[in-house]
Amino acid sequence: GQQVMQIPQYQHVQEGEDFTTYCNSSTTLSNIQWYKQRPGGHPVFLIQLVKSGEVKKQKRLTFQFGEAKKNSSLHITATQTTDVGTYFCAGYIQGAQKLVFGQGTRLTINP
Amino acid sequence: DAGITQSPRHKVTETGTPVTLRCHQTENHRYMYWYRQDPGHGLRLIHYSYGVKDTDKGEVSDGYSVSRSKTEDFLLTLESATSSQTSVYFCAISEGSRQPQHFGDGTRLSIL
Repeated sequence: GQQVMQIPQYQHVQEGEDFTTYCNSSTTLSNIQWYKQRPGGHPVFLIQLVKSGEVKKQKRLTFQFGEAKKNSSLHITATQTTDVGTYFCAGYIQGAQKLVFGQGTRLTINP
Repeated sequence: DAGITQSPRHKVTETGTPVTLRCHQTENHRYMYWYRQDPGHGLRLIHYSYGVKDTDKGEVSDGYSVSRSKTEDFLLTLESATSSQTSVYFCAISEGSRQPQHFGDGTRLSIL
């Protein structure tokens, strides 16, 4: 079936270290969205990328969409304890009518 | 946060009983979704609706039914609950199929 794979599943870092999560699809995506879910909370929309090769930044977060529109990444520079949570990518499969979520990357941080 | 209310927030019930979860929105969004979230599986789509009385299946629809008689309400029903349906259920809404989704606070359902 159509899948969006996300790695790693877990990542533990020291506060101040960088963090990256990767998202890959076997089929071309119309767009990719990123969400953050704090422990005990609900997913919250962060950003959407639409164009091939697009790069967007939100403060310490950098989001990239691959040239072939099949992969994406989220990079956090100098993590802070407020970054703790699970980060999900979600890709809209071209020709389909549904958003497909990756399994998420759970980020924990040692202060 | 978007105006989305899920009820109940927590429920414990027994195997074989019917269960209905409600999602109510005040945003007048066309699309509404039901997901379940389980460890190691992320968010999996159960059913979604693209308008009043217009619904379609997601990837894990077996054992679940939905109804949408009004724009603001989307109901998820487990006709005969099983222990495998113990999960956290999230409702989400969006203006269009490709637009960002906004999630409710979730319902924690335990089936004993």
